Amino acid sequence: AQKITQTQPGMFVQEKEAVTLDCTYDTSDPSYGLFWYKQPSSGEMIFLIYQGSYDQQNATEGRYSLNFQKARKSANLVISASQLGDSAMYFCAMREGETSGSRLTFGEGTQLTVNP
Amino acid sequence: ETGVTQTPRHLVMGMTNKKSLKCEQHLGHNAMYWYKQSAKKPLELMFVYSLEERVENNSVPSRFSPECPNSSHLFLHLHTLQPEDSALYLCASSQVLVKKKRVTEAFFGQGTRLTVV
Repeated sequence: AQKITQTQPGMFVQEKEAVTLDCTYDTSDPSYGLFWYKQPSSGEMIFLIYQGSYDQQNATEGRYSLNFQKARKSANLVISASQLGDSAMYFCAMREGETSGSRLTFGEGTQLTVNP
Repeated sequence: ETGVTQTPRHLVMGMTNKKSLKCEQHLGHNAMYWYKQSAKKPLELMFVYSLEERVENNSVPSRFSPECPNSSHLFLHLHTLQPEDSALYLCASSQVLVKKKRVTEAFFGQGTRLTVV
């Protein structure tokens, strides 16, 4: 079974509007972390936001916020006031456990296009 | 200067060649990773080095050979590759906080676009 599922291969949004990118995850480990990364066409993976499984509040970083619903195992990324530069691939990832060198498992990604 | 630097950015090699990918991190991290990103597939973790020891090797073919001489440098040695090995190879680093039993977020380089002909 896939551990990270991103059901939206592509999303379109108008500039200055908000957009939600979906991510659901599957784990039996009580301790895990959820990450969102942005990958522009240049290839670099840029860290956006992190949510720990024990965090009580939803994470926020500037225009990015994470809608964390633990019971539903979802960790959707909300981008407010979209900008043209937000057009990129967005990946949801999960780290299970807290052991040293623990791996990141990635979803298949969502291609976001911001229209002017 | 970015925190994680990969060279070369692009590489074309024949199936009989031997080449190496280089990764250097300037963040003071103690864990480094190699990921493979093929078209239309999720990133696949290849190798993990934590505190300079290889702690994970995900059934990667032996034609890929990692080397981590110190906590700042990571290499991926390539030999007798196949066309299906063509992909974007991403290096990442993170900080393992041993006492707190935490691993920070991973920072990635810009990748090496490898084409095997």
